[in-house]
Amino acid sequence: TAGITQAPTSQILAAGRSMTLRCTQDMRHNAMYWYRQDLGLGLRLIHYSNTAGTTGKGEVPDGYSVSRANTDDFPLTLASAVPSQTSVYFCASSDSTSGDTDTQYFGPGTRLTVL
Amino acid sequence: GQNIDQPTEMTATEGAIVQINCTYQTSGFNGLFWYQQHAGEAPTFLSYNVLDGLEEKGRFSSFLSRSKGYSYLLLKELQMKDSASYLCAAMDSNYQLIWGAGTKLIIKP
Repeated sequence: TAGITQAPTSQILAAGRSMTLRCTQDMRHNAMYWYRQDLGLGLRLIHYSNTAGTTGKGEVPDGYSVSRANTDDFPLTLASAVPSQTSVYFCASSDSTSGDTDTQYFGPGTRLTVL
Repeated sequence: GQNIDQPTEMTATEGAIVQINCTYQTSGFNGLFWYQQHAGEAPTFLSYNVLDGLEEKGRFSSFLSRSKGYSYLLLKELQMKDSASYLCAAMDSNYQLIWGAGTKLIIKP
């Protein structure tokens, strides 16, 4: 079972360039999330989607955008990358957003370096 | 504000027991999660507590006290493969997870 896949695994990006991080899940989960993880900090929520067709802003949304055209895919776009966006990005999904089925399952991550 | 506190690093000996504490302050509360994260890998789910008390799952147990805003993860019979970071996360009233920075657990032979 694939679960959640992310691409690319890692990327070096020049400042000012745009990039889309891809995330696909095969569990038919309703909710999907994008986090960034930086050394010494907890996971921080960038954007989320409770169901296909809807998205919401998390704790650190500036400089990022998302779309949720279908259940399986949740791409994250950096329109004009800056060095402070250097981080490890994790995509996650959960069956629901309330109750005991809201456990989040994570993809393997994308390590992004912006120079 | 919302906050999760857990120790930055702990060291324990193979075969021993270790308790990793977590305190939380959130707007509303819908449960407490523990995840394990090996270096360079994704977090993986360990446990979920929403009621007070101890939940046991093999060598790992998790405890919750809602009145104290406190949880701990207990790891028994430590193995070298348990060397990892352990992440505490509380779910707030909007069903968003608030994450601690993680506790790096070092296991020594």
